[in-house]
Amino acid sequence: QSALTQPPSASGSPGQSVTISCIGTSSDVGTYNYVSWYQHHPGKAPKLMIYEVSKRPSGVPDRFSGSKSGNTASLTVSGLQAEDEADYYCSSYAGSNILYVFGTGTKVTVL
Amino acid sequence: EVQLVESGGGLVQPGGSLRLSCAASGFTFSTYWMTWVRQAPGKGLEWVADIKEDGSAKFYVDSVKGRFTISRDNAKNTLYLQMNSLRAEDTALYYCARNWAWGAFDIWGQGTMVTVSS
Repeated sequence: QSALTQPPSASGSPGQSVTISCIGTSSDVGTYNYVSWYQHHPGKAPKLMIYEVSKRPSGVPDRFSGSKSGNTASLTVSGLQAEDEADYYCSSYAGSNILYVFGTGTKVTVL
Repeated sequence: EVQLVESGGGLVQPGGSLRLSCAASGFTFSTYWMTWVRQAPGKGLEWVADIKEDGSAKFYVDSVKGRFTISRDNAKNTLYLQMNSLRAEDTALYYCARNWAWGAFDIWGQGTMVTVSS
């Protein structure tokens, strides 16, 4: 089972939007609506930002939104703020054998 | 406060063994699947293993099958990862996480570092 494919980096100015793609296969993203997104600041624990493709846990700003089309999931961060600068990882349920697979990670820079 | 605290990491020689622990508090541990995730230095997150609420089902990434064993003690609110036949490529920061639902890992510990080196 290979990792989901994400762009290594993305950037935007404060107030702008950035969208991160997460490309999987028909064995994971394409079949299951169990895609999650995590924000990871170095030295801290990862934080769940989106689950089940587009749902936000309590406390996550609505600037963060998720979507899916075919084998590709996406995370959009609107109204970029300095504190959004972090690494972002997608993950997907991948079936009853491998269970879960993470994406390769995207470093978001706020210019 | 909902919390997960990992322990047990350290330096071990190739071929050696280590047991990681993850102490849970602030929630009903026995009603959640639990997960181990690792991050090698300079690399991304990797799912390692999952265990069902009652310990009756366990799942592993292919690279650790036959070497790692996930287990739990619901009476002690503690998750474990027994790691045998360790390899250099197992060097990573190991996180435990609560699997809220279908891979929504909503609570994470701070991680414990495992270094496999001679």
